[in-house]
Amino acid sequence: GAVVSQHPSWVICKSGTSVKIECRSLDFQATTMFWYRQFPKQSLMLMATSNEGSKATYEQGVEKDKFLINHASLTLSTLTVTSAHPEDSSFYICSARTGGPPNTGELFFGEGSRLTVL
Amino acid sequence: GENVEQHPSTLSVQEGDSAVIKCTYSDSASNYFPWYKQELGKGPQLIIDIRSNVGEKKDQRIAVTLNKTAKHFSLHITETQPEDSAVYFCAASVPSGTYKYIFGTGTRLKVLA
Repeated sequence: GAVVSQHPSWVICKSGTSVKIECRSLDFQATTMFWYRQFPKQSLMLMATSNEGSKATYEQGVEKDKFLINHASLTLSTLTVTSAHPEDSSFYICSARTGGPPNTGELFFGEGSRLTVL
Repeated sequence: GENVEQHPSTLSVQEGDSAVIKCTYSDSASNYFPWYKQELGKGPQLIIDIRSNVGEKKDQRIAVTLNKTAKHFSLHITETQPEDSAVYFCAASVPSGTYKYIFGTGTRLKVLA
């Protein structure tokens, strides 16, 4: 299957600092990428849809000023957690869809990034 | 909006036995249903999927069935092996906008050797 690379795989930061997580589609172009958050032993919660060349679409309850998303190219989307606090500690996972028209491609996930805010 | 329910939340089976995980969805317009396997500390991996124009799909020991009328779909794993132990998520694709996926709550499968 297609490869989605996520970096870093884990990061520890101090409260109040910002952290950037990168998501790259290595062997295909993705006009749409998705960012999820996953708490321990829970399901994936969709945070936002990242659209290449336009603003991200955030799910209800997700602070767009807290979680900045940039989709500058067809192979790269970034999630920046600004002014991180301990409650932002979580497993963040990105995904990208292959294929042309919506709902025709498959969704592949990155390996996830574990953020710990001290 | 779409809602996906998944059962059971945990499942233990003996090696060699079969495992079945069931999901129901609420939006009758949903037309794509993938299944993902997630190992500890890793991202989900697509293992099989099915579209609404198909009732069943099989790939070696894994099969998925879809009942559009009842709005439920199931994952079947036969001849389970210890390496099948993981968390499995079902999902339904919402056929509008960016076709985002709504995930089930996950099933922790443990295959006992």
